[in-house]
Amino acid sequence: DGGITQSPKYLFRKEGQNVTLSCEQNLNHDAMYWYRQDPGQGLRLIYYSQIVNDFQKGDIAEGYSVSREKKESFPLTVTSAQKNPTAFYLCASGLPRERVNTEAFFGQGTRLTVV
Amino acid sequence: DAKTTQPTSMDCAEGRAANLPCNHSTISGNEYVYWYRQIHSQGPQYIIHGLKNNETNEMASLIITEDRKSSTLILPHATLRDTAVYYCIVNSYGGSQGNLIFGKGTKLSVKP
Repeated sequence: DGGITQSPKYLFRKEGQNVTLSCEQNLNHDAMYWYRQDPGQGLRLIYYSQIVNDFQKGDIAEGYSVSREKKESFPLTVTSAQKNPTAFYLCASGLPRERVNTEAFFGQGTRLTVV
Repeated sequence: DAKTTQPTSMDCAEGRAANLPCNHSTISGNEYVYWYRQIHSQGPQYIIHGLKNNETNEMASLIITEDRKSSTLILPHATLRDTAVYYCIVNSYGGSQGNLIFGKGTKLSVKP
């Protein structure tokens, strides 16, 4: 089935370690996005990519990095520079800005806990 | 900041219609109104969107006022599985879906 997959669902890391969250989609979408969600809060945009080999910072990009080497994949690295990395991370995909009137599809999220 | 305002929470009896309001008084002419919902610890799920006409699909109806400054999402026969946080979002025609700005949404509790 077509969809967007995030893995793992739960992730634990020690403070000071970098960690990479996976996001894969087989929907043939050009655009992919990463959001962060803290308890009781809405989603905040970290990074987005509208085409392979290109990506843009969102509202809270500091301490994160991404790559977009393949259309299907948009991994997010949470670096040791991120001061408060424990959160729920959501990946989404959609058609690019030129294609209007469409919705975004979200993965099921990765809950990262840094101890 | 989110371009929309929604009540923090609402209750609805199972089987009754749930009417979720949203104010978007600064909406511009090329912006659509989108609704998503998020069930606890899952990714948001698209529900419906519209520009100025009322819309209906298998999940819900969207009523947009004539001046487009507010809208209402209607779940016609709410079930316990409709308990979730509902987000109302505006997005530009031609804008990137990834730039959707999510506020805190409305926590809908459907009660038996």
